[in-house]
Amino acid sequence: QSALTQPASVSGSPGQSITISCTGTSSDVGSYNLVSWYQQHPGKAPKLMIYEVSKRPSGVSNRFSGSKSGNTASLTISGLQAEDEADYYCCSYAGSSNVVFGGGTKLTVL
Amino acid sequence: QVQLVQSGSELKKPGASVKVSCKASGYTFTSYAMNWVRQAPGQGLEWMGWINTNTGNPTYAQGFTGRFVFSLDTSVSTAYLQISSLKAEDTAVYYCARGDQIRSWFDPWGQGTLVTVSS
Repeated sequence: QSALTQPASVSGSPGQSITISCTGTSSDVGSYNLVSWYQQHPGKAPKLMIYEVSKRPSGVSNRFSGSKSGNTASLTISGLQAEDEADYYCCSYAGSSNVVFGGGTKLTVL
Repeated sequence: QVQLVQSGSELKKPGASVKVSCKASGYTFTSYAMNWVRQAPGQGLEWMGWINTNTGNPTYAQGFTGRFVFSLDTSVSTAYLQISSLKAEDTAVYYCARGDQIRSWFDPWGQGTLVTVSS
């Protein structure tokens, strides 16, 4: 099972919007609406930000949104804030009880 | 509140074994699956597999069969990860993470346990 493909890094200025892509295949992202996104600050555990493509857990800011088209999922962060600077990982169910993560994207807030 | 608390860091020699614990609180332990995720130094997240907390049946991801064992003690709401015949490349932070039955989300995560394998 190959990892999902994410850009290594993205950056944006405070107040701007950024989008992180997550490309898989027809066996994972393209087949299931079971894509989730995790935020990880240095030295901390990952935190669930989006699940089932576009659903937000209670307590997660509505500045975070998710979408999917074909084999590519996306995480958009609007109104960028300094505290959003972190690593972001996408994750997809891949059938047969398997799960695959993306390689991670480092978000820098300029 | 829902919480997963993992055991502390471990320093082991090559060939030894290690057992990491993950104690759950704030929810019914057997109502959710428990997943394990590895993060090597400076690397991304790698899903290791999951254990059905009702049946105790484990499922291991490719690359995590043989030396890796998931187990439970439901009487104390605790999941375990045991790694045998440790190698230097097993050096990583290991996370437990609660999940639903269809693996659509992992939440919350334990704080992570650093396992260092060095002679």
